[in-house]
Amino acid sequence: QSALTQPASVSGSPGQTVTIPCTGTRSDIGGSYDYVSWYQHHPGRPPKFLIYDVTSRASGVSDRFSGSRSGNTASLTISGLQAEDEAFYYCASYTTNFHVAFGGGTKLTVL
Amino acid sequence: QVLLQESGPGLVKPSETLSLTCTVSGGSVTSGTYYWTWIRQAPGKGLEWIGYIDYSGETNYNPSLKSRVTISLDTSKNQHSLKLTSVTAADTAVYYCARDDSGDWYFDYWGQGTLVTVSS
Repeated sequence: QSALTQPASVSGSPGQTVTIPCTGTRSDIGGSYDYVSWYQHHPGRPPKFLIYDVTSRASGVSDRFSGSRSGNTASLTISGLQAEDEAFYYCASYTTNFHVAFGGGTKLTVL
Repeated sequence: QVLLQESGPGLVKPSETLSLTCTVSGGSVTSGTYYWTWIRQAPGKGLEWIGYIDYSGETNYNPSLKSRVTISLDTSKNQHSLKLTSVTAADTAVYYCARDDSGDWYFDYWGQGTLVTVSS
């Protein structure tokens, strides 16, 4: 069981906007640190770094990807959905136990 | 361009020790403020952080694995290594090495990953 909770799947049509939530606790996402990150994973390839520090985009990442946080829940929003966005998405957060927790992953299907 | 490449046996017997190496190119394992990390993904499961060794040799491990894990640095070969003792089938996973830049708890570079199966 993952420390952070993500929906198993989400879907959207090309051009639409989808949001993937990632729920934790005050010991991780809702804590006083801004160490939340997001990764895109196409099976068979290494995960791709997308978002860090809750809202900052990694170098070279499209501005269609954005991150946010409200309370104990972080979210990844993908706008202008494209076929190549179909992948698994993982959130990660620093925890007050001085380690990293990942979410269980969300499969994004582009209809 | 930083490249990470995992290597090691793809099959390990139960109760034995899993040993993997990550070769780093395009940068030194002792330069900057890098934290060299291992992450794994069991079949059908999400990602799991195993731990890291930093540029000075300090380590930090996932509490759930701490009693069985050792991560070390080989500066002469620009590598870092993972050892996991007393493995069981539950340790079957794709193992990734990754880099945490500046200890800000995110991973900007990843290796391709290597599948390790625990089976007799």
